[in-house]
This record gives sequence, C-alpha cells and structure tokens, in this order.
Amino acid sequence: EAGVVQSPRYKIIEKKQPVAFWCNPISGHNTLYWYLQNLGQGPELLIRYENEEAVDDSQLPKDRFSAERLKGVDSTLKIQPAELGDSAVYLCASSSGDTIYFGEGSWLTVV
Amino acid sequence: QKEVEQDPGPLSVPEGAIVSLNCTYSNSAFQYFMWYRQYSRKGPELLMYTYSSGNKEDGRFTAQVDKSSKYISLFIRDSQPSDSATYLCAMSAMVSNFGNEKLTFGTGTRLTIIP
Repeated sequence: EAGVVQSPRYKIIEKKQPVAFWCNPISGHNTLYWYLQNLGQGPELLIRYENEEAVDDSQLPKDRFSAERLKGVDSTLKIQPAELGDSAVYLCASSSGDTIYFGEGSWLTVV
Repeated sequence: QKEVEQDPGPLSVPEGAIVSLNCTYSNSAFQYFMWYRQYSRKGPELLMYTYSSGNKEDGRFTAQVDKSSKYISLFIRDSQPSDSATYLCAMSAMVSNFGNEKLTFGTGTRLTIIP
C-alpha cells in the first residue's frame, strides 16, 4: 500500500514569492492534515480536513497561507507571499482511525 | 509551559544498551499516546501506539503510559546503530469517526547509537 505522497520534496524560493505543496493521502483515508515542523521542534498542526471540509484551521496563518482539498482526496497548501520565517518542513498526514501516517515532507527554504 | 515536554538530548549510548526515552504532559484529557521515529530528512514514522495507561511491547520496543503521573516512556532493548534517529512522542485527546483529531508533539529526542 502506498504511503502519503508529497511534492515537491525540496523547494528554495526568494522571499515574497509564492509556493505550493501537494499531498496525496493514503487511499481510503478521509482525514488529512498539514503540519509544520521547524528545525529542532515537533510538528504543529496547521489544518485538518475531514473529507473536503476544513474542520480545524485555527492554527493556519490565513493572511498568507491557504489550503484546499478538492473532492476530498488530494490537497494543496499554498503560501503567498513567503517570508524568511516560513523556512521549515511542511508535513502532510492522513488517518482513517486513531493512527496518523505522515509523508516524507516538503522542505522549504526561503532566501 | 508546553503541553508536552520532552528532553531534546542529544543522547548517545553504546550499541546493545537499553535506551529510555520519556515525555511528560499536562493535559489530563490526553488518552492516545504515540511514539514516532524520524530519520534525518524524512517524515515521522509511527513506532508505537498506546491507548490509555499500560504497557505495549513490539519486538525490541516497549511503550509505557502512566496517566496518573502524566508520564510516558519508550524503551529500546539491544539498541542498534540503525536506531539512531529523533524520537518524537505525540498524544491526542479525541478520536472522531474520521480519525484522530489532533496530535500534540514533544520536541523530539535526538538519539545516537555508537557502534
């Protein structure tokens, strides 16, 4: 069974530029999460979807971050414009029960 | 104060030693407890999952949860160089019909097993 797939794995952009990350969850998993992991820290939840509905986006900085999950499967996380402090790992995860499985992450460097 | 506290290490032990990793937490609503292993430049990989208090064993790994003390542990027996990674504890209060609502993570402990 394929795991959570994320792309791109690595991205370097200049500040003020836009960037987008894509996630394909494990087949059949209705719940999808985007987590942010800063260097030396544990992941922190940005947004959680149940099917296509964003049920918890309280930690998503909505002035520059947006996310969507069309048709309740794949999801995209966008940052516009990016700031230096956005350099981090963006992790997508999915779940169909009480365990959460993570992708390899998208490593963002803003210069 | 963070909801979940974890010593970031680094922790270095010789090959074959028993490793003990720990987390404390403050939210008494947590009832689902997980340990993830994260290799460099990789995503977190689920190692152990425990519901409520008690012990769970899987091969060389044992997870313990003491809800009365708000303390969880992961033990690694006969440690191997391949166990060198960052170990993250994570916990959750609620699981809906769709899945786990939110994981709160510790900062992770960086572990090195010395051959």
